[in-house]
Amino acid sequence: SQTIHQWPATLVQPVGSPLSLECTVEGTSNPNLYWYRQAAGRGLQLLFYSVGIGQISSEVPQNLSASRPQDRQFILSSKKLLLSDSGFYLCAWAMGTEAFFGQGTRLTVV
Amino acid sequence: AQSVAQPEDQVNVAEGNPLTVKCTYSVSGNPYLFWYVQYPNRGLQFLLKYITGDNLVKGSYGFEAEFNKSQTSFHLKKPSALVSDSALYFCAVRDYSSGGSYIPTFGRGTSLIVHP
Repeated sequence: SQTIHQWPATLVQPVGSPLSLECTVEGTSNPNLYWYRQAAGRGLQLLFYSVGIGQISSEVPQNLSASRPQDRQFILSSKKLLLSDSGFYLCAWAMGTEAFFGQGTRLTVV
Repeated sequence: AQSVAQPEDQVNVAEGNPLTVKCTYSVSGNPYLFWYVQYPNRGLQFLLKYITGDNLVKGSYGFEAEFNKSQTSFHLKKPSALVSDSALYFCAVRDYSSGGSYIPTFGRGTSLIVHP
């Protein structure tokens, strides 16, 4: 069966520090992968999506970047975190009409 | 462009009563529609989807949703609410004519509170 792993679950980082959130998928190949941010416990904003290795599309300009070094690995990064980067980050994978989400990472920038 | 509206920020219902969480959508073509549930500090869990066929879709945990094309709605329902149903619910839509990459658009979410 397909599963999606996202870590860490929580993270507290100082302003200006780097960030790396990792997401991996099992049980499928060539999935579409997505990073969402959920601010203030409500709406989901699509940040990045990838349809294949090395292919990244950015939905909104921001302080973050994404990479897909392997078929089932999707990484969200920042060189220098801002206070406004705080939020709940969700990784998702999709194929056809199915989409599944990771458990999320609560990022607090202090 | 596609969009989803969840007109209620919060829905309150007594345990044992029926519940409805509203969702309306807008797409240029035909929609794929989804409901997800999120418990505090957790990821989204899939509840149900409408792709084609019967307008009444049954999903996990006793939830169901009715696709109404004329009203462009996909309201989530449950005949008898449980306190454990209290969570944040998201409606999502994808225009199936949008090609191979599935990029769903989510509503803002509705907080369901079931009172004992």
